[in-house]
Amino acid sequence: GENVEQHPSTLSVQEGDSAVIKCTYSDSASNYFPWYKQELGKRPQLIIDIRSNVGEKKDQRIAVTLNKTAKHFSLHITETQPEDSAVYFCAASIGRGGSSNTGKLIFGQGTTLQVKP
Amino acid sequence: KAGVTQTPRYLIKTRGQQVTLSCSPISGHRSVSWYQQTPGQGLQFLFEYFSETQRNKGNFPGRFSGRQFSNSRSEMNVSTLELGDSALYLCASSDRTGGGYTFGSGTRLTVV
Repeated sequence: GENVEQHPSTLSVQEGDSAVIKCTYSDSASNYFPWYKQELGKRPQLIIDIRSNVGEKKDQRIAVTLNKTAKHFSLHITETQPEDSAVYFCAASIGRGGSSNTGKLIFGQGTTLQVKP
Repeated sequence: KAGVTQTPRYLIKTRGQQVTLSCSPISGHRSVSWYQQTPGQGLQFLFEYFSETQRNKGNFPGRFSGRQFSNSRSEMNVSTLELGDSALYLCASSDRTGGGYTFGSGTRLTVV
């Protein structure tokens, strides 16, 4: 079935350390993988995304890696800051076949990241 | 550019009633998706609309329905409300299907 597993569920790091969150998806036709950050009481915000024809993408302190063979993708945050504290969700699109996607995203259960000053 | 606007922000309804939630996507976005967010189940897909057509539906009972208008605005309706329908309902829009979804702030529905 359609499933995305996300680990860990909680992550606590010291300011300045790196944080890594990992996800595994089940639909081999998925080819779009976004990451969202949700602060308490706020909407999920897209922070980075990657498509299956790319193995890695970076945006300043944030990077995402994708291993399509293993159906794994990961979020890496370097030099963490207290304002990075939030819940992070990974998601995978449900494929329609070929290179096209549906608009249906399957989300992981979320990772609560705490960055201690 | 205005973001995704959802109204109302908060709603309290009684069991058995029905409710309609509204979503105005970012100007120019034709793809709108709806999600239900609860502490126990996380973010679950409800439906996706593109150019007034429902393209996908999640695993929710038929009490949950939606539609999209010619201006891309979307509504979702929940009939015969149950206590378990209490959740944050999020709408997301994109200028294409399958990517780049921007979420609204959601409607917090409480069923009592």
